[in-house]
Amino acid sequence: LAKTTQPISMDSYEGQEVNITCSHNNIATNDYITWYQQFPSQGPRFIIQGYKTKVTNEVASLFIPADRKSSTLSLPRVSLSDTAVYYCLVGASSNDYKLSFGAGTTVTVRA
Amino acid sequence: NAGVTQTPKFQVLKTGQSMTLQCAQDMNHEYMSWYRQDPGMGLRLIHYSVGAGITDQGEVPNGYNVSRSTTEDFPLRLLSAAPSQTSVYFCASSYSTSAGGAYEQYFGPGTRLTVT
Repeated sequence: LAKTTQPISMDSYEGQEVNITCSHNNIATNDYITWYQQFPSQGPRFIIQGYKTKVTNEVASLFIPADRKSSTLSLPRVSLSDTAVYYCLVGASSNDYKLSFGAGTTVTVRA
Repeated sequence: NAGVTQTPKFQVLKTGQSMTLQCAQDMNHEYMSWYRQDPGMGLRLIHYSVGAGITDQGEVPNGYNVSRSTTEDFPLRLLSAAPSQTSVYFCASSYSTSAGGAYEQYFGPGTRLTVT
């Protein structure tokens, strides 16, 4: 598994855009990048997954530069309900099922 | 669809007792897994299964057994509970028919286990 590094915590205010960068210098050619969100007392929830360039869905955008050694999860116009822990995972499902969640990034949104 | 269900939601055990945490999914997912999450920590993989009859160890398998007799069910057995196994246990499932598929996992609500 490629090791990932992300900030431990980030603070923001309602209405702002939050960008969380994950470093994964040892990413392999067939690895995908996946982000999860976890609220207190709940299981993680899949947010977005990408391989290269940019992926966007109704929740977030994922930006992946050409060298794929990092990725940035962008949460547009956050609200108080976006306060959660966000995890970045890197790996390839086809031959690597040992998924590993690091400590994640705790995002706190204030009014 | 009920998604991924886990029972019980809460459990208190005494040291040395055994028990089974239940996990079921109704999405016909091939891949299922068990994680534990200690306070303030990320999730650590205990065991996983890529299909009925196939299981393998994750990062922290000691003290736990699993079996996968059906696609739907993936129970986790604690053989002899220890205080170090106090944690929140999450079960997850996903389809895994394409690259990247196993990473879109659906998690259950968790079982909060305390061992005294």
